[in-house]
Amino acid sequence: NAGVTQTPKFQVLKTGQSMTLQCAQDMNHNSMYWYRQDPGMGLRLIYYSASEGTTDKGEVPNGYNVSRLNKREFSLRLESAAPSQTSVYFCASSEDERWGFGNQPQHFGDGTRLSIL
Amino acid sequence: AQKVTQAQTEISVVEKEDVTLDCVYETRDTTYYLFWYKQPPSGELVFLIRRNSFDEQNEISGRYSWNFQKSTSSFNFTITASQVVDSAVYFCALKMNRDDKIIFGKGTRLHILP
Repeated sequence: NAGVTQTPKFQVLKTGQSMTLQCAQDMNHNSMYWYRQDPGMGLRLIYYSASEGTTDKGEVPNGYNVSRLNKREFSLRLESAAPSQTSVYFCASSEDERWGFGNQPQHFGDGTRLSIL
Repeated sequence: AQKVTQAQTEISVVEKEDVTLDCVYETRDTTYYLFWYKQPPSGELVFLIRRNSFDEQNEISGRYSWNFQKSTSSFNFTITASQVVDSAVYFCALKMNRDDKIIFGKGTRLHILP
């Protein structure tokens, strides 16, 4: 029962370095999401993908890029990491369809704890 | 604009007490969905319940119950006879039918004291 798998679980970067967070789901879900969680801020949506080949900005997209490589995989890239991007990042997926059933819950990965020095 | 407010940042209760977590939402849409998620100290996010805007029936699942009231735009979560294992951060979330984004509240950290 893999569900949503995120790699890596932990990462420390220096300011200016780049890296890609990987996310894969094995539930054949259409929609995938990237969130960041900061103390006192809850979960804030960075980017999401309603279906393979589409991506849309969320609440806090600046400094990030995403790729929906295929239906299973949705990666998040930091091109030039900044200390403000220190956070816990969660990937999620759901069976939502834009014009269909919108009430499916999201399934979350275990998170990636990212520190930018 | 859509918004989810969890006014209680942190709550502490003694084990076996009942506790209610408040959630107030804002939306002009007529079709929307509400969710509660639990994040235990281990960090993962666990789905608890979803509710459709056209279904105002309250729901009970074991010690958990949810009170959905459209008149007050609230979707409150009650834990009866709390246990230490209920200690976690609880998030309320809102999704409109017309798009795929889910808006989360800032969460309520619940401490159940032995």
